[in-house]
Amino acid sequence: KQEVTQIPAALSVPEGENLVLNCSFTDSAIYNLQWFRQDPGKGLTSLLLIQSSQREQTSGRLNASLDKSSGRSTLYIAASQPGDSATYLCAVPHGSGNTGKLIFGQGTTLQVKP
Amino acid sequence: GAVVSQHPSWVICKSGTSVKIECRSLDFQATTMFWYRQFPKQSLMLMATSNEGSKATYEQGVEKDKFLINHASLTLSTLTVTSAHPEDSSFYICSARIPSGSNSPLHFGNGTRLTVT
Repeated sequence: KQEVTQIPAALSVPEGENLVLNCSFTDSAIYNLQWFRQDPGKGLTSLLLIQSSQREQTSGRLNASLDKSSGRSTLYIAASQPGDSATYLCAVPHGSGNTGKLIFGQGTTLQVKP
Repeated sequence: GAVVSQHPSWVICKSGTSVKIECRSLDFQATTMFWYRQFPKQSLMLMATSNEGSKATYEQGVEKDKFLINHASLTLSTLTVTSAHPEDSSFYICSARIPSGSNSPLHFGNGTRLTVT
């Protein structure tokens, strides 16, 4: 059974700092991995999608890496800003295909202090 | 802009009543949509897969008679919480992919906060 874990559960950093969020999964036979952002009381915003054949994806100050063999993904945020404060979730599809049914980690709640 | 729209964004209802939540795909057709539930301080858990023109597929432990799903058109799926109880209070979120079935990211609605008193 696939399990997704995110560490740390919460993180507080001063503005401008670079930071790394971690995501691990128990079954390496994933089709892709997706990172989301969730603001309090809101839905999810898709940040990055990494296919199983890819090692990393970049969007602006965000860089997500994927190491299937070790069951890990990281989300790197450069030059953090107060507006980055939110909960970040990683998710993988249920099973080995792209089913659209996602298994989520518990999330990392990030606070960036001005 | 938003590609998946949910309505209402929040609802308060009395115990025993039913509540309908709508999920619409904007400017694209979605033959499949997904309904998730999120309890406070917890992550999202998949409840069911909504299939246009056919019955929904429910995850283990989700009561299909309590959470009625109707996907009557290619742009609309509805989730009805029947005879709601306080333990049904949660954040319900739907998702869909653009275009439906392709290898693209899943997009989520803004969610519906249900409070049952």
